[in-house]
Amino acid sequence: EVLLVESGGGLVQPGGSLRLSCAASAFTFSNFWMNWVRQAPGKGPEWVASIKRDGSEKYYVDSVKGRFTISRDNAENSLYLQMDSLRAEDTAVYYCARDSVTAARVMDVWGQGTTVTVSS
Amino acid sequence: DIQMTQSPSSLSASVGDRVTITCRASQSVSSYLNWYQVKPGKAPNLLIYAVSSLQSGVPSRFSGSGSGTDFTLTISSLQPEDFAIYYCQQSYSTPRMFGQGTKVEIK
Repeated sequence: EVLLVESGGGLVQPGGSLRLSCAASAFTFSNFWMNWVRQAPGKGPEWVASIKRDGSEKYYVDSVKGRFTISRDNAENSLYLQMDSLRAEDTAVYYCARDSVTAARVMDVWGQGTTVTVSS
Repeated sequence: DIQMTQSPSSLSASVGDRVTITCRASQSVSSYLNWYQVKPGKAPNLLIYAVSSLQSGVPSRFSGSGSGTDFTLTISSLQPEDFAIYYCQQSYSTPRMFGQGTKVEIK
């Protein structure tokens, strides 16, 4: 079964940092673009960042540019999101999601999510 | 950024009803329009991609249509497991914006 499992969420103070991880299994991770998407309490999903198969291209939503960094380790089948200078508005469930190979930029497989709470 | 606007924001329907949700993009997204279903505490679930292609494993009562800026998700006969929030999302350009959602509730 194709699986994505996120970890690394927790409670952090404003201005703090957190690193999220996403472990992929049962598919050839290096063949897929990967994404982070978040959903704040009571809000809809928000795409956060994407990374190309080999890590050579990265894209971010404006609100996290300069604060968040997406990366991947294809040898370890893992995706990461380094989050610095965290703000209260970054509080959300963070999901990793795989892009389909058959339809461009369509997120077809999602993890169960990890919760990030930014509060003093 | 391309803004996505859904209507209605919520609706009440009964099991067996035909339900239609509309999504409008602020500019053309060609055929790069997808629909997701979200249930409480769960990750989004892809239903429809590229306007009208049914994701594997999704029941055929779900269908999508439209082009350019105006799109529709239709549930032909609402089932108890379909009560959820539905989001359209454009994958034409970055950032990949979602609509604000349509909550489908039990009448």
